[in-house]
Amino acid sequence: DSGVTQTPKHLITATGQRVTLRCSPRSGDLSVYWYQQSLDQGLQFLIQYYNGEERAKGNILERFSAQQFPDLHSELNLSSLELGDSALYFCASSVGAQPNSPLHFGNGTRLTVT
Amino acid sequence: GQQLNQSPQSMFIQEGEDVSMNCTSSSIFNTWLWYKQDPGEGPVLLIALYKAGELTSNGRLTAQFGITRKDSFLNISASIPSDVGIYFCAGQENYGQNFVFGPGTRLSVLP
Repeated sequence: DSGVTQTPKHLITATGQRVTLRCSPRSGDLSVYWYQQSLDQGLQFLIQYYNGEERAKGNILERFSAQQFPDLHSELNLSSLELGDSALYFCASSVGAQPNSPLHFGNGTRLTVT
Repeated sequence: GQQLNQSPQSMFIQEGEDVSMNCTSSSIFNTWLWYKQDPGEGPVLLIALYKAGELTSNGRLTAQFGITRKDSFLNISASIPSDVGIYFCAGQENYGQNFVFGPGTRLSVLP
């Protein structure tokens, strides 16, 4: 158990809809990262937050947004969903105080857009 | 942007065999991480490497930070069925930058 909690585990929704994915980082971790993994693909970095502030952006679509709350949990919002958004979405956390501290991943949310 | 290559893409081995896989970059990295992902689960950190030439073990797994700082290697000795999964490397080019992940090596272990 990595200590990173993601909910829900599965999400099925229709095109055009909006969903929210939630992540609770490991106790003590200040950084939260979001990654997208499509079928048989690698991990694509979306966005990072550190102690409530956006730290870095990757290949995140404008239809997607995220935030990190004062209690350090994070939410990833996906809107105007398209079939191609179907993927596993992973949250990871790290201490963040050390610039090269490893990431610890949750078990992901599997999003299916029909 | 930075890209990592992993070799081989996939491999089928017999139970009990040793496994070697590698990860290469066109850039010099200061940190290498190795993860394993089981189906339907998140990647789990196996080994973290922070210095060129560093050799670190975790049970039957051994990873090395290449001397050129452009590659890293992961070896698994005496493979068992639960070693099946996808192995990802991740590298960090500069302190504070995000980690870049390789495409993964898919390992299958035949009984």
